[in-house]
Amino acid sequence: GAGVSQTPSNKVTEKGKYVELRCDPISGHTALYWYRQSLGQGPEFLIYFQGTGAADDSGLPNDRFFAVRPEGSVSTLKIQRTERGDSAVYLCASSLELAGGGNTQYFGPGTRLTVL
Amino acid sequence: AQSVSQHNHHVILSEAASLELGCNYSYGGTVNLFWYVQYPGQHLQLLLKYFSGDPLVKGIKGFEAEFIKSKFSFNLRKPSVQWSDTAEYFCAVSGYSGAGSYQLTFGKGTKLSVIP
Repeated sequence: GAGVSQTPSNKVTEKGKYVELRCDPISGHTALYWYRQSLGQGPEFLIYFQGTGAADDSGLPNDRFFAVRPEGSVSTLKIQRTERGDSAVYLCASSLELAGGGNTQYFGPGTRLTVL
Repeated sequence: AQSVSQHNHHVILSEAASLELGCNYSYGGTVNLFWYVQYPGQHLQLLLKYFSGDPLVKGIKGFEAEFIKSKFSFNLRKPSVQWSDTAEYFCAVSGYSGAGSYQLTFGKGTKLSVIP
């Protein structure tokens, strides 16, 4: 079946603008994660959804970042008043939710965000 | 807090050479361990994972990894690399966050270049 998809693949914006990044998880996956990957680094956790609710948003860097998943499937990551330091690849991953953490997360291709 | 350390930033090998990529982690509880691979122009893919049981784990494309609990290590190995193994390799650990998620904590990655 189809994997995780993310749109857009590339987004260039100006400092101070608002952006939305979309993630479409694998059908039937209840767990959804957002990560951010800066140049030369591994992905870093931002937020986790179980169904429609954000169960863990401890990785969001500040209150300019917000994410929703209103119907428990597609998720949107929203960044207000973008800053040059927000430039990175934003990755989405989904997984089945199995007890004990034995879950494989499947990653999308990412959205490369560039803030000028 | 979880952390992952990958010892090598860039490894260059000739085809047929043996590969070992180091990974050490820090976590106080039961961990799940992963190696992900990112081929040029592609998204992150799971190479192999360890949840429990046999500490020697076999993955796709001839890769294997050994979990050594006493050393907090999960090194990746392949006896004979091919040019098509050129990619970036990420070690990751997940453990229950206490806030409901099993988010992954990644190392910084190791770039492998295989010379034909």
